[in-house]
Amino acid sequence: GAGVSQTPSNKVTEKGKYVELRCDPISGHTALYWYRQSLGQGPEFLIYFQGTGAADDSGLPNDRFFAVRPEGSVSTLKIQRTERGDSAVYLCASSLDPGQGAYEQFFGPGTRLTVL
Amino acid sequence: KQEVTQIPAALSVPEGENLVLNCSFTDSAIYNLQWFRQDPGKGLTSLLLIQSSQREQTSGRLNASLDKSSGRSTLYIAASQPGDSATYLCAVKDNYGQNFVFGPGTRLSVLP
Repeated sequence: GAGVSQTPSNKVTEKGKYVELRCDPISGHTALYWYRQSLGQGPEFLIYFQGTGAADDSGLPNDRFFAVRPEGSVSTLKIQRTERGDSAVYLCASSLDPGQGAYEQFFGPGTRLTVL
Repeated sequence: KQEVTQIPAALSVPEGENLVLNCSFTDSAIYNLQWFRQDPGKGLTSLLLIQSSQREQTSGRLNASLDKSSGRSTLYIAASQPGDSATYLCAVKDNYGQNFVFGPGTRLSVLP
């Protein structure tokens, strides 16, 4: 079926506003990852979901960042009181259940967030 | 804390050349290593995944090797083509968690 999709592709907001970024993983993939990529850098891990639960949120930079995956499929990354330093490309990836040893990640095209 | 570096940061070669991209990691207790390519303004495309028990993986003109003990992986591209121009990133998953740690990438330009 389709690959990982992310919406919106671009988001411009003002400092202090709230934003939501959406990720639709590949059907059947129970593992979902969020990353943040700044210009010229590799992606930086934010949070990992296994099913509905956040199994590892150690990469979230502070409590302004939060992510949910209520039904174990679509995930939303939420950023409160945005700051200019939050400007980056936010990438989502999914993979098959790690318990099966299938760790290959498939990435979406990303959401480019610009905070003015 | 795992750190991943990639050398060179950028590489420009004429079409047809064979080339090697390097990836180094500081903690050898890895579960696997994955190579990706990223085109400008796009997401990442998976190229090869090497499990920690493997020494290499091949796909078409690409060959990736893994030497865990020395903390190194190489991506070999044979007979390079202009369409290979992209940024190549390596990422390692260690044994402690579920996240991948990425290198900064090597920006490859293959000139026609």
